[in-house]
Amino acid sequence: QKEVEQNSGPLSVPEGAIASLNCTYSDRGSQSFFWYRQYSGKSPELIMFIYSNGDKEDGRFTAQLNKASQYVSLLIRDSQPSDSATYLCAVLGIKAAGNKLTFGGGTRVLVKP
Amino acid sequence: DGGITQSPKYLFRKEGQNVTLSCEQNLNHDAMYWYRQDPGQGLRLIYYSQIVNDFQKGDIAEGYSVSREKKESFPLTVTSAQKNPTAFYLCASSTLDRGETQYFGPGTRLLVL
Repeated sequence: QKEVEQNSGPLSVPEGAIASLNCTYSDRGSQSFFWYRQYSGKSPELIMFIYSNGDKEDGRFTAQLNKASQYVSLLIRDSQPSDSATYLCAVLGIKAAGNKLTFGGGTRVLVKP
Repeated sequence: DGGITQSPKYLFRKEGQNVTLSCEQNLNHDAMYWYRQDPGQGLRLIYYSQIVNDFQKGDIAEGYSVSREKKESFPLTVTSAQKNPTAFYLCASSTLDRGETQYFGPGTRLLVL
């Protein structure tokens, strides 16, 4: 089982619709959770982070965390063609040797006009 | 402007050659990281450093070396022992407070001649 799992996609979404991305993780001790957006050929850029169970909203983005189910999701409302990118889920695990950020393989999102 | 810079943007390596990738940050972050990304895959940790003159191996350290002589700088050397170096190399930095949000530089694409 991979430490952080994401559906690779592509997730095809009509413009204006909601894109729903999912991520599961295996380490129950994980404390912090991040979503990054990566355009083709570019480096990842942080969209948002979440530490506590529940929802966190930032503009058109909502992150949802459920630690009991070891599940974190990202909703993109009113999807735009500029949202077409790969979205990386990252989970910070707390280790004695040093905290480690583990990335999923990413979900590719295509927003069609 | 605060940020992370990486150079060069593209780097070509000949057989048996060592090459060094530069990473500099002016965010006053304590921790710095090097990741490797292969096409269609997530990020894998090569090395990280939380303090000057100290660094730790990540998941795929073989064939790589680093130094951390200054807080702002964390160069990565890809040695001739790394047999498959072609990849996108990403440098990141973070504080060490709660969350340890990592921010990425623009990346260096390494190609083998």
